[in-house]
Amino acid sequence: GAVVSQHPSWVICKSGTSVKIECRSLDFQATTMFWYRQFPKQSLMLMATSNEGSKATYEQGVEKDKFLINHASLTLSTLTVTSAHPEDSSFYICSARRGGRGAFSSYEQYFGPGTRLTVT
Amino acid sequence: EDQVTQSPEALRLQEGESSSLNCSYTVSGLRGLFWYRQDPGKGPEFLFTLYSAGEEKEKERLKATLTKKESFLHITAPKPEDSATYLCAVQARGVTSAARQLTFGSGTQLTVLP
Repeated sequence: GAVVSQHPSWVICKSGTSVKIECRSLDFQATTMFWYRQFPKQSLMLMATSNEGSKATYEQGVEKDKFLINHASLTLSTLTVTSAHPEDSSFYICSARRGGRGAFSSYEQYFGPGTRLTVT
Repeated sequence: EDQVTQSPEALRLQEGESSSLNCSYTVSGLRGLFWYRQDPGKGPEFLFTLYSAGEEKEKERLKATLTKKESFLHITAPKPEDSATYLCAVQARGVTSAARQLTFGSGTQLTVLP
């Protein structure tokens, strides 16, 4: 159990276009999903926390209008990179936290396989 | 601010040569410490959660331990397929969104030579 999928696994787009990445929890409901960015040989950098039915919480320095997050259901969150530029090229990874809201729900985060975005 | 430091940055072992990876942390009240394995070009794979000092968990050749300041991931008789980057992360106590986040270390890149 606890499988998270991402689509697409890789995407190449032209500068100025928008790209949508989907993150799905396949066998559990996730009220909270997280979006990370990872540069080569570096650790994961949290971009935003996505809660089902409410607005995402963005980390400092992450542009809300550039990285649009929608968490419309308990199994799906999407990240849209708007007007992408070469500096947005990176490995984007989502994770899902199993369980309900509150301090006593499950704490483990299960990660998707990642999406490699290349902006030319 | 929560901090996680992993050492060494890289480790090369011969097949069968046991060793340990270190994860030192500072957190304002530990909710849980997590170990993940990440292969190149893939997302992290969950390995263990440790909640309190003295706790230990095992999975095949891996054993994770926890003290109040650090965690160790012991690898016994490793095989080449154990080669990966091992990530440590902590989660602080609290009910806020920030408290539910994970703070990651920079990882240890393990290479096991045949």
